[in-house]
Amino acid sequence: SQKIEQNSEALNIQEGKTATLTCNYTNYSPAYLQWYRQDPGRGPVFLLLIRENEKEKRKERLKVTFDTTLKQSLFHITASQPADSATYLCALDGEYSGGGADGLTFGKGTHLIIQP
Amino acid sequence: NAGVTQTPKFRILKIGQSMTLQCAQDMNHNYMYWYRQDPGMGLKLIYYSVGAGITDKGEVPNGYNVSRSTTEDFPLRLELAAPSQTSVYFCASSYSRAEQYFGPGTRLTVT
Repeated sequence: SQKIEQNSEALNIQEGKTATLTCNYTNYSPAYLQWYRQDPGRGPVFLLLIRENEKEKRKERLKVTFDTTLKQSLFHITASQPADSATYLCALDGEYSGGGADGLTFGKGTHLIIQP
Repeated sequence: NAGVTQTPKFRILKIGQSMTLQCAQDMNHNYMYWYRQDPGMGLKLIYYSVGAGITDKGEVPNGYNVSRSTTEDFPLRLELAAPSQTSVYFCASSYSRAEQYFGPGTRLTVT
C-alpha cells in the first residue's frame, strides 16, 4: 500500500541553525510533492511545491529537495527562529481514482521546536 | 477575500444524530476537498469535487455524503453519527492540482 513516512518524534533545533525534515514514501510515483505548515488548532498552510522533474526549490529561508530515485524529500529551514516552531506536513498527490483531481495524501507530520 | 470558511467551529453530537458541516470559498476554485484529522495522524481525504455537480470518494468516505451545487459551497453530511467520527474536519480548495487552501477546521465530538 501507499505510505508516507515523516519523523514522528519532535525535532529540537537551536535558534539560528538549519532544521532539516525528512519525508520518505513508498509505492508512489507522485507528479509533485508539497510541504505544509500546521500550527495547533489551525488548518495547514501551503509552503512549497516541487515537481518530479525538479531537484530543488527555494523560497526565502526554505529549501526543498526531491529525489525520486530515493523516494525522499528533504525540507530545510535555514537561520531558524522560534516562530518557525510548528508541525510540518509532507503531502503527495493521491491515486484514489487513478487520475483526475484527487486530493493529497499527507504524512503524519514532524513537530519542529526551535529553542531560543 | 475570506478564503475558505467553515462552520461550525465546534460541535458535540450524540450517537445516531446527523449534521452538516458547512464549507465555502470565495476564490472561485474549482477543486474542493474534505479531510479529517485524528490526533497524531495525517489528514485523510473523505470526499473531493472537481467542480459544481461533480464529486468523488476519497480514502475514508463511509458514513459521509457530500454535494456540490455551486462553485462556492461544499457541505459535508454526517448521517447516523458514530464515535469513530470524532475528529477535526478540514475543508480545502485549490485552483488546480496543486497548492490547497485550508479552512480553520470543525472540531466534532460524538458521544
